[in-house]
Amino acid sequence: QSALAQPASVSGSPEQSITISCTGTSSDVGSYDLVSWYQQHPGKPPKLLISEVTKRPSGVSNRFSGSKSGNTASLTISGLQAEDEADYYCCSDAGSGTYVFGTGTKVTVL
Amino acid sequence: EVQLVESGGGLVQPGGSLRLSCVASGSTFSNYYMLWVRQAPGKGLEWVAKINQDGREKTYVDSVRGRFTISRDNAKNSLYLQMVSLTAEDTAVYYCARDPRWAFDIWGQGTMVTVSS
Repeated sequence: QSALAQPASVSGSPEQSITISCTGTSSDVGSYDLVSWYQQHPGKPPKLLISEVTKRPSGVSNRFSGSKSGNTASLTISGLQAEDEADYYCCSDAGSGTYVFGTGTKVTVL
Repeated sequence: EVQLVESGGGLVQPGGSLRLSCVASGSTFSNYYMLWVRQAPGKGLEWVAKINQDGREKTYVDSVRGRFTISRDNAKNSLYLQMVSLTAEDTAVYYCARDPRWAFDIWGQGTMVTVSS
């Protein structure tokens, strides 16, 4: 149950696109199309952005999109905005009824 | 509006016990898997435990298995986390969350647990 690997930080200018990677193993990310992504602002609970690799819940901006290739999932934020500055976490089903989160990525809008 | 409200956190000595509660409103609680996620100060999210709709299936992260017990009372729309043999490494904000399968769509505001002498 090792945490999924994410870059510690990613930055971009307003209106740019950025991508956050989430690397696991063949036992978690690679085995299931069950990766989700969360946004967390300081002092707040996480908010679901993406489920099942690519599905965006109602109310989530279409600037957020997800994908997966092999053992690595990715979250892309297009048209970066100041309000996107937050921490982002991926999460994957890890088999046997368990989940594992990523290490988290701090996004900075320059 | 669906809401989850946690309670029961506080300061506890190493080796002590604590029981967290999470009350749900605004949705049919018994239809969903529920889980606990924690976040140590300044650290990332860690999935802790999950329970299915009728309470018969429970899973835990290795670091808490045998010390923490997740349970639910559907008649009271409530989720619980009984924690024993607490250590400093259990210090964290504990969130309850709803799992409509494979993603966590509703979160509580969290309750802080501090293990210290």
